Amino acid sequence: NAGVTQTPKFQVLKTGQSMTLQCAQDMNHEYMSWYRQDPGMGLRLIHYSVGAGITDQGEVPNGYNVSRSTTEDFPLRLLSAAPSQTSVYFCASSYSLQDTQYFGPGTRLTVL
Amino acid sequence: KNQVEQSPQSLIILEGKNCTLQCNYTVSPFSNLRWYKQDTGRGPVSLTIMTFSENTKSNGRYTATLDADTKQSSLHITASQLSDSASYICVVGHDKLIFGTGTRLQVFP
Repeated sequence: NAGVTQTPKFQVLKTGQSMTLQCAQDMNHEYMSWYRQDPGMGLRLIHYSVGAGITDQGEVPNGYNVSRSTTEDFPLRLLSAAPSQTSVYFCASSYSLQDTQYFGPGTRLTVL
Repeated sequence: KNQVEQSPQSLIILEGKNCTLQCNYTVSPFSNLRWYKQDTGRGPVSLTIMTFSENTKSNGRYTATLDADTKQSSLHITASQLSDSASYICVVGHDKLIFGTGTRLQVFP
């Protein structure tokens, strides 16, 4: 099993550009989520999904969109990148919210 | 306000020594408490997950304790190794997961 994979590992964007961060898991997990991690702060939930076709907002959803067309994939879209979105982004999956979460390796995003 | 506070923020110990990391929380209601290890440049990896009825859980040299009455948890690392150098994150779950900011542990030879 590959576990949770994320691409790209690193990305530099200019303000106003859009892009999609990819996340995939091969563990047949229903629950998937996106977090951002900033220095001195705990991981903050951006969006989550409890199954294919179902998504919901987390703590910091503004400026981000998600979709869940399959159980395996959960892409995160930045609509119009801003310097405040410079961060490390982690995707995670689990059978349910109450189960152990498995995190991907992260995407380090810089917005100039 | 639901919060998870960890102490100390950072810790330096010598290889072979034991250490204890603390986690206090004000999350209510409470479902479970988790400890994660995060190596630099990598995603967090689960060490333990405990429900409110569990007082202690071990994973090799890592032992987590939970006191649901005082809302405190600790992570004890025995006979530390250089590979234990990482950030340790306490996470409390109820209808969502609340993450602490972590304790950065450095183990020196």
